[in-house]
Amino acid sequence: DAGITQSPRHKVTETGTPVTLRCHQTENHRYMYWYRQDPGHGLRLIHYSYGVKDTDKGEVSDGYSVSRSKTEDFLLTLESATSSQTSVYFCAISESMDRGVTNYGYTFGSGTRLTVV
Amino acid sequence: SQKIEQNSEALNIQEGKTATLTCNYTNYSPAYLQWYRQDPGRGPVFLLLIRENEKEKRKERLKVTFDTTLKQSLFHITASQPADSATYLCALDYGGGNKLTFGTGTQLKVEL
Repeated sequence: DAGITQSPRHKVTETGTPVTLRCHQTENHRYMYWYRQDPGHGLRLIHYSYGVKDTDKGEVSDGYSVSRSKTEDFLLTLESATSSQTSVYFCAISESMDRGVTNYGYTFGSGTRLTVV
Repeated sequence: SQKIEQNSEALNIQEGKTATLTCNYTNYSPAYLQWYRQDPGRGPVFLLLIRENEKEKRKERLKVTFDTTLKQSLFHITASQPADSATYLCALDYGGGNKLTFGTGTQLKVEL
């Protein structure tokens, strides 16, 4: 999607290895989010960021860490991947918080399909 | 914890008819409710947002209603087309960082 890209698009990794997913935006928004999407569970929030070096946990944060050293990049790290972390991961940005009014929805990236074997 | 229910069964309708999708939630009402469209292999795309003090919102062929008494939102697509076939997600925003809680989505199939 315009303004937000995720990499890689697909990844297969082995149990126990570290994995880092990258989200890059060109919109200069303060708020960025990482979600995972699984059948029967929908999208669940992992972590979010409200500025450089400012992050907080979401609903399913165990086993994940994040970092935001620049406005444009939000990294999601699986320190030691497990099979339960096989999922599709989406990054999103929000314009609403920048403007102080909630008139806008999220803009999502195209997702990263991660398989842990 | 908050629970959001969307019909897990696919909705099949004929072209030209109005599609109506339901989003029910438990506990307290959100400040905002949003609807997204998701196509296979793609990220969700924002469609409409409605506030808790608004009853109805329209955008072209789309209409969203929000009933805080029933704890329900309805999403309507009028004059549906095969291109409207997708999964539709509702999302609740309780404020405080604009964090959204999503339903599991309902798949819509519009047949010729």
